Amino acid sequence: QVQLQQWGAGLLKPSETLSLTCAVYGGSFTNYYWHWIRQPPGKGLEWIGETNHGGSTKYNPSLKSRVTISGDTSRNQFSLKVNSVTAADTAVYYCARGRYGDYPYWGQGTLVTVSS
Amino acid sequence: QSVLTQPPSASGTPGQRVTISCSGSSSNIGSNYVYWYQQLPGTAPKLLIYRNDQRPSGVPDRFSGSKSGTSASLAISGLRSEDEADYYCATWDDGLSGVVFGGGTKLTVL
Repeated sequence: QVQLQQWGAGLLKPSETLSLTCAVYGGSFTNYYWHWIRQPPGKGLEWIGETNHGGSTKYNPSLKSRVTISGDTSRNQFSLKVNSVTAADTAVYYCARGRYGDYPYWGQGTLVTVSS
Repeated sequence: QSVLTQPPSASGTPGQRVTISCSGSSSNIGSNYVYWYQQLPGTAPKLLIYRNDQRPSGVPDRFSGSKSGTSASLAISGLRSEDEADYYCATWDDGLSGVVFGGGTKLTVL
């Protein structure tokens, strides 16, 4: 059974860098695409971007200038970095496996709060 | 402002049938598969419908999906109290080269 377990700092100050990692258990890291999705409190879902085992990436145009998604095939993990965070980046961040909007597997979610 | 448009709320009584719509354009719903998610409070979204009208194993057949042109719908028949949740549609957008979600519909079982 595929499981995604994620972790990272939950409280940041404005201008700091958000950093989250997602580990994949019970399945292959190769041949799949790995995504980050976020949800501001009380709001809807927003796609952040994706990577695959080959290192290719796609990002949401609205976040592209501040986001980096990378994978570590040796550890079956992938990571998210968002630079220069503001209060608008406060959200629950999810990692997920899938493609084109099809996400059968999700991490448990991490609440990241940006506050001075 | 979400790329895909959903009604913010929907409601029904136990046993009723409700439908939730998702409207897009030719660059997203019109040319790609649609996916539906159910999100209970405090939990990660759960895939409910994939490839427009397919149910993953374990999803009751009370849930069904359809797509026509640039719109899609999720139908829930035999409404139950445990169906009270937020529902999201999702698809790929060829113009944005990314995944887009609807704004979500909060379903209340009266």
